[in-house]
Amino acid sequence: EPEVTQTPSHQVTQMGQEVILRCVPISNHLYFYWYRQILGQKVEFLVSFYNNEISEKSEIFDDQFSVERPDGSNFTLKIRSTKLEDSAMYFCASSPEGGGPDTQYFGPGTRLTVL
Amino acid sequence: AQTVTQSQPEMSVQEAETVTLSCTYDTSESDYYLFWYKQPPSRQMILVIRQEAYKQQNATENRFSVNFQKAAKSFSLKISDSQLGDAAMYFCAYKPGGGADGLTFGKGTHLIIQP
Repeated sequence: EPEVTQTPSHQVTQMGQEVILRCVPISNHLYFYWYRQILGQKVEFLVSFYNNEISEKSEIFDDQFSVERPDGSNFTLKIRSTKLEDSAMYFCASSPEGGGPDTQYFGPGTRLTVL
Repeated sequence: AQTVTQSQPEMSVQEAETVTLSCTYDTSESDYYLFWYKQPPSRQMILVIRQEAYKQQNATENRFSVNFQKAAKSFSLKISDSQLGDAAMYFCAYKPGGGADGLTFGKGTHLIIQP
């Protein structure tokens, strides 16, 4: 069964450094998403992406964040200058279509630790 | 803005018994979708079940079923014949129809299965 993959599984970085989190969505899916989950808290939506542009974004997704689909398979989340409060689990998800009942399928997550 | 409330931070059930997890939501939309996701200790987000708001019939997936009360904006999850592998965090999630909106999650319910 196709699945969303994410790399790395765990990333440790120093405050102020740039990080890029990578995702490979399911191949025939058209909509891509990033979420984050701070330890012990609920999952929060960051951004959705379709047709090579951002569709929706939350208040969390400020100028420090950017997303890109650099080729036909990868979908990346970049954090320009990491802060301690960026430490969280970051989940990528994809769905066949954005509207309608199509389920978002989640990857296993990348745990980001900012020191 | 939509909100999702899970009022039970933790629930415990004996193996083979039935347990119901509660979820309420608030929205002014008429077209939307509701989901239950399971998050085991690995922190992977796994879809359990989904419900389209326009469908009156409650969704069922094997031992998992929902009680969807649209007027009351209630969406509870019933797990029958609980198994040790059901132990996890369970998140209720909402998505408006017709766009690439992200999911809005509740804070989760930690389900403990007593052997």
